Amino acid sequence: SAVISQKPSRDICQRGTSLTIQCQVDSQVTMMFWYRQQPGQSLTLIATANQGSEATYESGFVIDKFPISRPNLTFSTLTVSNMSPEDSSIYLCSVPGAGWYGYTFGSGTRLTVV
Amino acid sequence: GEDVEQSLFLSVREGDSSVINCTYTDSSSTYLYWYKQEPGAGLQLLTYIFSNMDMKQDQRLTVLLNKKDKHLSLRIADTQTGDSAIYFCAERRASGTYKYIFGTGTRLKVLA
Repeated sequence: SAVISQKPSRDICQRGTSLTIQCQVDSQVTMMFWYRQQPGQSLTLIATANQGSEATYESGFVIDKFPISRPNLTFSTLTVSNMSPEDSSIYLCSVPGAGWYGYTFGSGTRLTVV
Repeated sequence: GEDVEQSLFLSVREGDSSVINCTYTDSSSTYLYWYKQEPGAGLQLLTYIFSNMDMKQDQRLTVLLNKKDKHLSLRIADTQTGDSAIYFCAERRASGTYKYIFGTGTRLKVLA
């Protein structure tokens, strides 16, 4: 399965600022996914990032708040813009495995907005 | 609805068996998975089961699937303190996309 390097692992940010999270995969993948895990909650899919096209956002998430870049088949970034304390969460990227194999996840970015 | 339900907490003694339950919603789901999340870490795939299977065993892990009741369980034999984590079930919808729906997570605490 793929290996994903996610940065930063954690950050504490001031409200109103933006943070960009990076994920680097050790192999080429068509789709990358970004998830949010709010404190004590399950994972919620933010968007699917395909190389060469705009990301597809899930209901409740918009591009202005969570812009995503996918410049090539091994890299993606998620920006959390104009942050508020409600954005404090763990953000995870993931890629699908071959066939039936489950997703591989990055180690996550723990964001605290103060 | 889209909710995949799990009980929030489970506490067991070291050496005992743990059983974590999950109720999913989509009868057409093709694959069902169990993930483990340790503190401060991402999710680690533990095991999976195809929807046409009733049971799968993988070392200390046994997965049972009851399609009629849309019920999935994970049994961990001889539970160790290192098994303390949050466990998520996930269903992969048969919608042609790779969209997964994750359960609410069960926090397993293993007492020494």
